[in-house]
Amino acid sequence: SQQGEEDPQALSIQEGENATMNCSYKTSINNLQWYRQNSGRGLVHLILIRSNEREKHSGRLRVTLDTSKKSSSLLITASRAADTASYFCATEPTQGGSEKLVFGKGTKLTVNP
Amino acid sequence: DTGVSQDPRHKITKRGQNVTFRCDPISEHNRLYWYRQTLGQGPEFLTYFQNEAQLEKSRLLSDRFSAERPKGSFSTLEIQRTEQGDSAMYLCASSSPGADEQYFGPGTRLTVT
Repeated sequence: SQQGEEDPQALSIQEGENATMNCSYKTSINNLQWYRQNSGRGLVHLILIRSNEREKHSGRLRVTLDTSKKSSSLLITASRAADTASYFCATEPTQGGSEKLVFGKGTKLTVNP
Repeated sequence: DTGVSQDPRHKITKRGQNVTFRCDPISEHNRLYWYRQTLGQGPEFLTYFQNEAQLEKSRLLSDRFSAERPKGSFSTLEIQRTEQGDSAMYLCASSSPGADEQYFGPGTRLTVT
């Protein structure tokens, strides 16, 4: 079963605008990761934030993590048409030990040129 | 580094037939994962290998599913007596020792008619 939910389910913006996606999860985690998936393809790892971190940056990406609220957000600044994709948050639960990832349902981002 | 590869990319089969998928991870990645993704959902964990040992299986993996990684390199996922509900994208991912991010292959899209 899915660990949590991304919000919104779909987001449509103009090129150059910022896009913010949120993720909520249910159990305690070792880390939270964001992945991008272009239509019908495999997933590409974007950024990882550990449970003891609160914010992380990578290029135009900024991710925050609030473990007390069990939530994370992904901000994409100065969006481009090429950013059009589905974005998934994935958590590595503390329990288990296999480093398996538990994914949300994703946010479908459309960036209009 | 050629990335994770999966074969075939697409498979159409009739209900009741057996199918087998192959995954070649990134060389020297000792961990290998199988996930299943249905339309509009995030990937769901199926099973995990560390080297040749299968260390965890999801309850989603019914007795019709079997996975192997005989020499700790490539892996196969077999589905016996396929059902229409098995139609999905089957994703393989690998990761290196000590790293948490996973690298995904392009997936095998299975359609059961």
